[in-house]
Amino acid sequence: DTEVTQTPKHLVMGMTNKKSLKCEQHMGHRAMYWYKQKAKKPPELMFVYSYEKLSINESVPSRFSPECPNSSLLNLHLHALQPEDSALYLCASSRNSGGGYSNQPQHFGDGTRLSIL
Amino acid sequence: AQSVTQLDSHVSVSEGTPVLLRCNYSSSYSPSLFWYVQHPNKGLQLLLKYTSAATLVKGINGFEAEFKKSETSFHLTKPSAHMSDAAEYFCVVSEEGTGANNLFFGTGTRLTVIP
Repeated sequence: DTEVTQTPKHLVMGMTNKKSLKCEQHMGHRAMYWYKQKAKKPPELMFVYSYEKLSINESVPSRFSPECPNSSLLNLHLHALQPEDSALYLCASSRNSGGGYSNQPQHFGDGTRLSIL
Repeated sequence: AQSVTQLDSHVSVSEGTPVLLRCNYSSSYSPSLFWYVQHPNKGLQLLLKYTSAATLVKGINGFEAEFKKSETSFHLTKPSAHMSDAAEYFCVVSEEGTGANNLFFGTGTRLTVIP
């Protein structure tokens, strides 16, 4: 069982829909991450939150909108997605927020498999 | 700049034989290194980590890795492969970023275990 919980596990949506992906962790981690993973590729970083504040946005299109309501929750709001956005979206968390803690591993959820029609 | 090279995109072994997955890294200072495993339709699970303590690191499920600074390598090994080891394996180097860790992933090695 993973300690990072993502819902839903699967999502099919049209290009005009609005949907949200949710991620939750109760390990007391203060850094949370969104990744996008295409088939047979490593994960690509999208966003990083540190202490509930957005610290990194890896030039992600505005049709992806992250939100961190509190230290345990992370959302990814989706709107007007394109077929090439179909992928596995992974959430992760880690104990630190920089400051000499690069040795802290990230803990990943099982992801949301997103398909855009 | 940090980078990771996984030398084999696909490794195939027979059940009960040793596993060797190769990884070389590039880092401007003492790195933190990880191996993650990803089973189909699952997230990434941490196998083990190196953080400048012992150079031989033991992980879960019988895996271990040895950090060799002179060779800039962090190869993953297991004495005897099990069918359940079939998965994608990622070697990762971590650096301290702005407010969080930044992970640099290798391209992955797919391990096939033949019965």
